[in-house]
Amino acid sequence: EDQVTQSPEALRLQEGESSSLNCSYTVSGLRGLFWYRQDPGKGPEFLFTLYSAGEEKEKERLKATLTKKESFLHITAPKPEDSATYLCAVGAQGGSEKLVFGKGTKLTVNP
Amino acid sequence: NAGVTQTPKFRILKIGQSMTLQCAQDMNHNYMYWYRQDPGMGLKLIYYSVGAGITDKGEVPNGYNVSRSTTEDFPLRLELAAPSQTSVYFCASRVQGAPYGYTFGSGTRLTVV
Repeated sequence: EDQVTQSPEALRLQEGESSSLNCSYTVSGLRGLFWYRQDPGKGPEFLFTLYSAGEEKEKERLKATLTKKESFLHITAPKPEDSATYLCAVGAQGGSEKLVFGKGTKLTVNP
Repeated sequence: NAGVTQTPKFRILKIGQSMTLQCAQDMNHNYMYWYRQDPGMGLKLIYYSVGAGITDKGEVPNGYNVSRSTTEDFPLRLELAAPSQTSVYFCASRVQGAPYGYTFGSGTRLTVV
């Protein structure tokens, strides 16, 4: 069964304090790994898609990396506006449209 | 562009009532999805559609029905509401092909009492 585990569940950082969020996954053939950001009361907002081990994507202070078993979302010098819940999801090969989502990591960045 | 629009934003239903959650997108996306998000849980796929007239079950379809008569609209029907259907419902869409990133609506918070 395809599974996604995110850690930690919650993370508090001071402004400027860099850190990483982890997404461990098991899937029968990876179609893609996806990172989303979700603000309270809003729908998830797409950030990145990673397709193969070794791939990296960057957007402002965020950098996503992928290995064969996990993905990291690195946050460099975060700002309070980076506070949100970050969701990881995987899609499996074989034609299924289902994405398996993790429970998310709630990030709080204090000024 | 409005993106993905969901209505209503909030709704309280009594057990046994029925309702339709509306979803419309203006991006000409072929693929549309309904997910539910329960507190402390990952999003679960209810139904999806790869184009007008084509729908298929996701992971948790029981108690729900969908239809897709146009590219733009993908309503979700709840029949005989139960407390287990209390959740936040998200509609999403994507264009066929890479990068597979969904565009989500802002959600409908449903409470069944």
